[in-house]
Amino acid sequence: NAGVTQTPKFQVLKTGQSMTLQCAQDMNHNSMYWYRQDPGMGLRLIYYSASEGTTDKGEVPNGYNVSRLNKREFSLRLESAAPSQTSVYFCASSETGHGHFGDGTRLSIL
Amino acid sequence: GDSVTQMEGPVTLSEEAFLTINCTYTATGYPSLFWYVQYPGEGLQLLLKATKADDKGSNKGFEATYRKETTSFHLEKGSVQVSDSAVYFCALRVRNQGGKLIFGQGTELSVKP
Repeated sequence: NAGVTQTPKFQVLKTGQSMTLQCAQDMNHNSMYWYRQDPGMGLRLIYYSASEGTTDKGEVPNGYNVSRLNKREFSLRLESAAPSQTSVYFCASSETGHGHFGDGTRLSIL
Repeated sequence: GDSVTQMEGPVTLSEEAFLTINCTYTATGYPSLFWYVQYPGEGLQLLLKATKADDKGSNKGFEATYRKETTSFHLEKGSVQVSDSAVYFCALRVRNQGGKLIFGQGTELSVKP
């Protein structure tokens, strides 16, 4: 029973590089989310997807893109990484209740 | 817009002390409310929830009551343990926006033996 799986767990990038964070859930949930967690800032919503085929901006979408590939998968892409995007990224999924979270991706941009 | 405000941390308590972490919210609709806990190096886990006014969520000795009149959902525990040391997040789920989950800034709790 994997729940929400995020890959990779750790990544170091140079400024200007691109990368995609992967997220998959096996609970058949409709809604999926991407958050970033920074000290003193809590979890800020980057993008979310209420259902397969739809995506919407959250609180801090600039510099990111997302793809809801199918019901299971929701990826987050950084096209040109910046040091300000150094953070811990969490993916979550939910149906009508609370969110189930992955273990996070720790991303450092030098 | 919709938002959650928590008391600032860190909060440091002695073992067996009483814990209160304040949480208030602003929502355009009628949200569900949650408390999550995050242990060091881990993701967030649901601690408890309440879906309508006057509901009390409880788990592992923690409790919180959905107070619509004061737009609050304060977390309480009568006797904390060292193992309760973690970061606690209050959150709401907006029902009319695809179930968007909005979090407070988190409150770090440290319990000393």
